[in-house]
Amino acid sequence: QVQLQESGPGLVKPSETLALTCTVSGGSISNLYWSWVRQSPEKGLEWIGYIYYTGTTNYNPSLESRLTISVDTSKSQIYLKLSSVTAADTAVYYCGRGGWSLDVWGQGTLVTVSS
Amino acid sequence: EIVLTQSPGTLSLSPGERATLSCRASQSVNSNHLAWYQQKPGQAPRLLFYEVSSRATGVPDRFSGSGSGTDFTLTISRLEPDDFAVYYCQQFGASLPYTFGQGTNLEI
Repeated sequence: QVQLQESGPGLVKPSETLALTCTVSGGSISNLYWSWVRQSPEKGLEWIGYIYYTGTTNYNPSLESRLTISVDTSKSQIYLKLSSVTAADTAVYYCGRGGWSLDVWGQGTLVTVSS
Repeated sequence: EIVLTQSPGTLSLSPGERATLSCRASQSVNSNHLAWYQQKPGQAPRLLFYEVSSRATGVPDRFSGSGSGTDFTLTISRLEPDDFAVYYCQQFGASLPYTFGQGTNLEI
């Protein structure tokens, strides 16, 4: 069955760029939407945005100015980049299959923003 | 932004009892674009229902979803020990951002 795995640095300095990769295995990335969601004790679950395999995106307006989501179908990977991070961006970041409801989730990766 | 308010915040019940969880939206959720998730400690959320009442793969039929407009309900008819977890609703209507409720902690 399809599995998702997030990867990336667990610690990012304030004002720098957070960059994560979601690797899809056991299934095709094509013809599907893929999303990023984060979770923190302060904000709970927060929808970040989604991308269609062709590259079409939709972002949370509160993050849009700092956010880029991209896809590499040849590598079966989805990417998240969030610039100018602050402590408020500290969270567990999940990737998921779907553009609306998410039926498959990665295990999540904790990213801490701290100097 | 559509705000989802879940109630109660914590629900204390016993195995075999019926659980009723509420999710109320600050404005109507278009086309019933509402989902429910279950999350256990240290795990990612698990999709239970999409489009209000469409059961996701593998979800037992003791779980049911209902509602429309601004009021939605997740019901678990007979609680089993594995059902004790945090439950979230999510809306993905016409306006961004998609949002989640703050969760209901279903505890023994």
